[in-house]
Amino acid sequence: SQTIHQWPATLVQPVGSPLSLECTVEGTSNPNLYWYRQAAGRGLQLLFYSVGIGQISSEVPQNLSASRPQDRQFILSSKKLLLSDSGFYLCAWSRFARDRGIEQYFGPGTRLTVT
Amino acid sequence: DAKTTQPNSMESNEEEPVHLPCNHSTISGTDYIHWYRQLPSQGPEYVIHGLTSNVNNRMASLAIAEDRKSSTLILHRATLRDAAVYYCILPIIQGAQKLVFGQGTRLTINP
Repeated sequence: SQTIHQWPATLVQPVGSPLSLECTVEGTSNPNLYWYRQAAGRGLQLLFYSVGIGQISSEVPQNLSASRPQDRQFILSSKKLLLSDSGFYLCAWSRFARDRGIEQYFGPGTRLTVT
Repeated sequence: DAKTTQPNSMESNEEEPVHLPCNHSTISGTDYIHWYRQLPSQGPEYVIHGLTSNVNNRMASLAIAEDRKSSTLILHRATLRDAAVYYCILPIIQGAQKLVFGQGTRLTINP
């Protein structure tokens, strides 16, 4: 079965510090991978997606970046965090089948507080 | 993604049916209708999807209007664990398989 891991679970970082969040997927190969952010009381915002190693598409311009160094590893980074980067960060992978539609599976998330 | 419109919130009682509406008047002929839900402090989870015909699974039923411009997610007997934000989405199937989550409907279940 497929499993998606994210770490850390919670993080408190000062403004201006760097960020690295990691996501790994087990049990599937060549998955589409996604990073979402959910600010407090807000909806999910798609930040980045990747259809393969080294292929990153950005949905929203900002001071975050993403990388996919291996097939099942997706990393979200920032060189200098802003207060507005606080939120709940979710990694996901997806598959499509006609009888199941698009199923996206989400990791447990990282709750980031920038102080 | 084609745009969807949902009520911001709904309320129901435990063990009663719940009908969650979604309007998608600009839907194209190849758009699948997906529903996801997000429980508190968790990522979203897949609920159900359909194209033209009504669909049933262990979680819910999906009723799709004949013109496909609206759909309704039906929870037959709501429980307290069904309290969540429900999202109606028309995703891009090809390539990136992107889901764009709107504000959804926050469902409150009263005991």
